[in-house]
Amino acid sequence: EAQVTQNPRYLITVTGKKLTVTCSQNMNHEYMSWYRQDPGLGLRQIYYSMNVEVTDKGDVPEGYKVSRKEKRNFPLILESPSPNQTSLYFCASSPGAGRSSDTQYFGPGTRLTVL
Amino acid sequence: AQSVTQLGSHVSVSEGALVLLRCNYSSSVPPYLFWYVQYPNQGLQLLLKYTSAATLVKGINGFEAEFKKSETSFHLTKPSAHMSDAAEYFCAVSDRKGSNYKLTFGKGTLLTVNP
Repeated sequence: EAQVTQNPRYLITVTGKKLTVTCSQNMNHEYMSWYRQDPGLGLRQIYYSMNVEVTDKGDVPEGYKVSRKEKRNFPLILESPSPNQTSLYFCASSPGAGRSSDTQYFGPGTRLTVL
Repeated sequence: AQSVTQLGSHVSVSEGALVLLRCNYSSSVPPYLFWYVQYPNQGLQLLLKYTSAATLVKGINGFEAEFKKSETSFHLTKPSAHMSDAAEYFCAVSDRKGSNYKLTFGKGTLLTVNP
C-alpha cells in the first residue's frame, strides 16, 4: 500500500530534550515536506526537500532541522524543543516531477507536546 | 504569493442537508486548487483537485467543487450530508516557488453534522 508513515504518533517531552520525528514514504517520491498544524492557523510549511541531500526552509523553520540521506526518509529534528513547538506535525510527499498539480500525500500526523 | 481564505471556521448542518464550504483564493497565475479532509485523529486525505481540465470537479464521498475564475472561488458542496462527513476541511492552493511545491492552506472549516 502506497503510504507516508510517521513515528511516533504521539510524544510528550520536556523543554530542551532533543527529539526526532521520522517520516518515510514508499512511493519513490522526489519531493517531501514537513508542516505543522495549529488551531486557527491551518498548516504551515517548516522544511522541504526536492531530492537526496537537497533541503530548504519553508515558512516557519526556526527551531527545526531536517536531513535527507535517503530518498524515502525525511526526519524532522528538534534539537532543543520549546513549548511553542507543541503542535501537530505532518509529513507529506509528492512526485515532484515539475508538476504543481501533483497531489501531495500526507502522513497520519505526530502530536507533540513540549512541557 | 498565493493565498486561500475559507469563510466560516465552523459550519453546522443537519443530516441530509446541503453542505457548502466556501473557499476563495488569490493567485497571480492560473491556480491549482485542492480540498483535503481531516477526520478526527487522522491525517489529511485528498477529496478533489482542480487542474484546469474542467471547472466542475468531482471528488470522493459525493463531494464536488466548482472553479469560478470570475469570483476567484472554489467552493465545496455535497447535496446531502451524512454523519460520517463530520470532519475538518481544508482548501489549499499550489504555491510553487522554484523547486518548492508548497501548498498554502486555508485555516480550515470544521463541519458538524447533526442527526
